Amino acid sequence: ETGVTQSPTHLIKTRGQQVTLRCSSQSGHNTVSWYQQALGQGPQFIFQYYREEENGRGNFPPRFSGLQFPNYSSELNVNALELDDSALYLCASSVDRGRSEAFFGQGTRLTVV
Amino acid sequence: AQSVTQLGSHVSVSEGALVLLRCNYSSSVPPYLFWYVQYPNQGLQLLLKYTSAATLVKGINGFEAEFKKSETSFHLTKPSAHMSDAAEYFCAVSGSNQGAQKLVFGQGTRLTINP
Repeated sequence: ETGVTQSPTHLIKTRGQQVTLRCSSQSGHNTVSWYQQALGQGPQFIFQYYREEENGRGNFPPRFSGLQFPNYSSELNVNALELDDSALYLCASSVDRGRSEAFFGQGTRLTVV
Repeated sequence: AQSVTQLGSHVSVSEGALVLLRCNYSSSVPPYLFWYVQYPNQGLQLLLKYTSAATLVKGINGFEAEFKKSETSFHLTKPSAHMSDAAEYFCAVSGSNQGAQKLVFGQGTRLTINP
């Protein structure tokens, strides 16, 4: 059974650019959540996808968007990057959208310069 | 709404000493509570979880936590610290966001183990 994998592990972007981060959920999981972890902070909920539809969103602007595919993998897209978007982006998958355990990937470290 | 407060951003203990990391929560519904550990440049690993069953929860690597409703606390303990326990620890509560069961995390506590 493979765990949650994220790609890329690191990337550097310029302010104003767009970025796409990818996440493969754990086998058998149909729910993916994305979190942003700024340096020295706890993770903050961005949004959740359940069976290819957004199922809840945190306090993030619309330039943060996502997708979930039929195989339950997911993408996080961020447009018009700002310096404050520099963070570790974590993907977590769970067996359903209820209060089941979330399994985290290793994260993507995004640096905006 | 749910929130978590971790008391102490840094905790330092000697190898072999007791580890105590403090977490207080606020929740408008019966909470599910979690402790995660994060090693440098890695994701989060679940240590243990409370889901309304036994109030004393045992996790991996010798950690345990006790749910105390009267104190709204869920403190993490380990009887004897090991050098490999050095990491960042996050307490989290499961809350609802428009139907999505999101995790609300504390700010984290960095645990340092002194030889």
